[in-house]
Amino acid sequence: EVQLLESGGGLVQPGGSLRLSCAASGFSFSTFDMTWVRQAPGKGLEWVSVFRHRDSSTYYADSVKGRFTISRDNSKNTLFLQMNSLRAEDTALYYCVKGAHCDYWGQGTLVTVSS
Amino acid sequence: DIQMTQSPSSLSASVGDRVTITCRASQGIGNDLGWSQQKPGKAPKRLIYAASTLESGVPSRFSGSGSGTEFTLTISSLQPEDFATYYCLQHNSYPYTFGQGTKLEIK
Repeated sequence: EVQLLESGGGLVQPGGSLRLSCAASGFSFSTFDMTWVRQAPGKGLEWVSVFRHRDSSTYYADSVKGRFTISRDNSKNTLFLQMNSLRAEDTALYYCVKGAHCDYWGQGTLVTVSS
Repeated sequence: DIQMTQSPSSLSASVGDRVTITCRASQGIGNDLGWSQQKPGKAPKRLIYAASTLESGVPSRFSGSGSGTEFTLTISSLQPEDFATYYCLQHNSYPYTFGQGTKLEIK
């Protein structure tokens, strides 16, 4: 059974940093692209970033480019999202998602950016 | 960036009704589109990929169609458990983009 367990969310001040983690199990992690998607309170889904497994290429939404960095540790079946220079508009539930086409979702970790 | 315009943004319907939700892409995306369902307080669940292929275990009352710039999700006979919010996702070119969502409510 596929399991994706996000952690690392919390309350952070504007301009601060946070690192999210996603522990994956139940599938061959190293052979899948992995994605982060976020959802602001009461709003729709926003694609954030992807890590392509074949060539380790990464892509970002314009709204986070230059501030967020996606990475992974295949030896630990873990996906990361390093978030710097956080803004109030980054407040959201952050989902770890299996595949570039978003075929299976974790339950999310909440990030709140507020002073 | 490719913009996905989803309509309607909300829809009231009754159990047994047939409903259709549309996503339009700002440029052609082939069949690189998926549909997901999200219930309140839950993570999304993908229903359809490659525009028209049902995920394993998804009821056959759900169907998807379209290619290029116009796509539809159809529920042939609404069941109580189908009242949720639905999103399309284009995965043709980066950055990938979601539609704004369609909230399906009980009439």
